[in-house]
Amino acid sequence: AQKITQTQPGMFVQEKEAVTLDCTYDTSDPSYGLFWYKQPSSGEMIFLIYQGSYDQQNATEGRYSLNFQKARKSANLVISASQLGDSAMYFCAMRVLSSGSARQLTFGSGTQLTVLP
Amino acid sequence: EPEVTQTPSHQVTQMGQEVILRCVPISNHLYFYWYRQILGQKVEFLVSFYNNEISEKSEIFDDQFSVERPDGSNFTLKIRSTKLEDSAMYFCASKFSGREIGNEQFFGPGTRLTVL
Repeated sequence: AQKITQTQPGMFVQEKEAVTLDCTYDTSDPSYGLFWYKQPSSGEMIFLIYQGSYDQQNATEGRYSLNFQKARKSANLVISASQLGDSAMYFCAMRVLSSGSARQLTFGSGTQLTVLP
Repeated sequence: EPEVTQTPSHQVTQMGQEVILRCVPISNHLYFYWYRQILGQKVEFLVSFYNNEISEKSEIFDDQFSVERPDGSNFTLKIRSTKLEDSAMYFCASKFSGREIGNEQFFGPGTRLTVL
């Protein structure tokens, strides 16, 4: 079974500063993908970034980057130059190859990020 | 930009009643999912659907739940006899392909179900 752990229920960051949201995972499957989703107060789930287990480089998407440390089984999200609109719940999720072709996501418990003006 | 849509945005029902939550996935997507999120908790997988049948389901998805793709565009989740603990946000998601593990799922805006 797969497990995602997000140990920070809440984080605060000053506007324009960088922030790191932690995510650790556990799986015995050698092939997996790691995702981060943003959930604003309106409730929708917004895909942010993806990292594959075999990717050699850390994923980046604009102000989002993923600090992937495979040996430590961690996939932390780094948001640079925080903006007030980044205030939201952030979920780390994982998909493994052995979960069938549909490959559903397993989510962590989330981190509530608040950006302070 | 294509998006997953869900209706209604909020459904209030009495315990024991049947509810149907509706989703229209992105038109060329082949894999469909339902997830739920109890208030303040993590998002949990319910069921996946591919090629007109259930592909995977979680232990949450018991006999009270069913899914259907009645007309090639809608994807529905039915709860036969709702319980108080079914109160949650229900998300529909879809993706194009099963081949690539990194293929992202696109989520709908969710339906908030309140069981009284």
